[in-house]
Amino acid sequence: AQSVTQLDSQVPVFEEAPVELRCNYSSSVSVYLFWYVQYPNQGLQLLLKYLSGSTLVESINGFEAEFNKSQTSFHLRKPSVHISDTAEYFCAVSDGGRTGGFKTIFGAGTRLFVKA
Amino acid sequence: EPEVTQTPSHQVTQMGQEVILRCVPISNHLYFYWYRQILGQKVEFLVSFYNNEISEKSEIFDDQFSVERPDGSNFTLKIRSTKLEDSAMYFCASSYNYEQYFGPGTRLTVT
Repeated sequence: AQSVTQLDSQVPVFEEAPVELRCNYSSSVSVYLFWYVQYPNQGLQLLLKYLSGSTLVESINGFEAEFNKSQTSFHLRKPSVHISDTAEYFCAVSDGGRTGGFKTIFGAGTRLFVKA
Repeated sequence: EPEVTQTPSHQVTQMGQEVILRCVPISNHLYFYWYRQILGQKVEFLVSFYNNEISEKSEIFDDQFSVERPDGSNFTLKIRSTKLEDSAMYFCASSYNYEQYFGPGTRLTVT
């Protein structure tokens, strides 16, 4: 069975500092990996995804994540955060449609809190 | 850009009542899903729907829950007799393949 572990429930960081949100997954099959962001009282927005190919994937707002198969990790990083990055971040894994759908399993979330 | 829509945005109901949450998926998508998020907790998979039938469901999706695609555009989640613990945000999602697009959610409050 698939599972996702987000190692930090909360990450406080000062504005313009770098940040890393950690994510480990387990799966017995090939997977697709995702990071979603949820701003307060809003829905889920896809931040970035790994499907295949280059292990480093980037978003349009400066986040990047690296797929590491040997360590079964997909950590999210940003070199310099802004106040507006304050949100809940969810790591997620999908098993690629073996069962007639692409069920997605989410981690517990990491609350990123950017301080001025 | 096409998007998944959900109605209502907030639903308040009394325990034991039936509720129907509605979703309009993206028009050319083939797979449809419901997830829920209890306040302060993670997003949990409920059910996936493909080719007019349930393709997978979680342990949460018991006999009190049902899904339906009554026409070519809507996708509904029905809870027959709501319990207090059904209070949560319910997200609909749709996909053509691996990339799911989520709706803004319906907040269900059971009193």
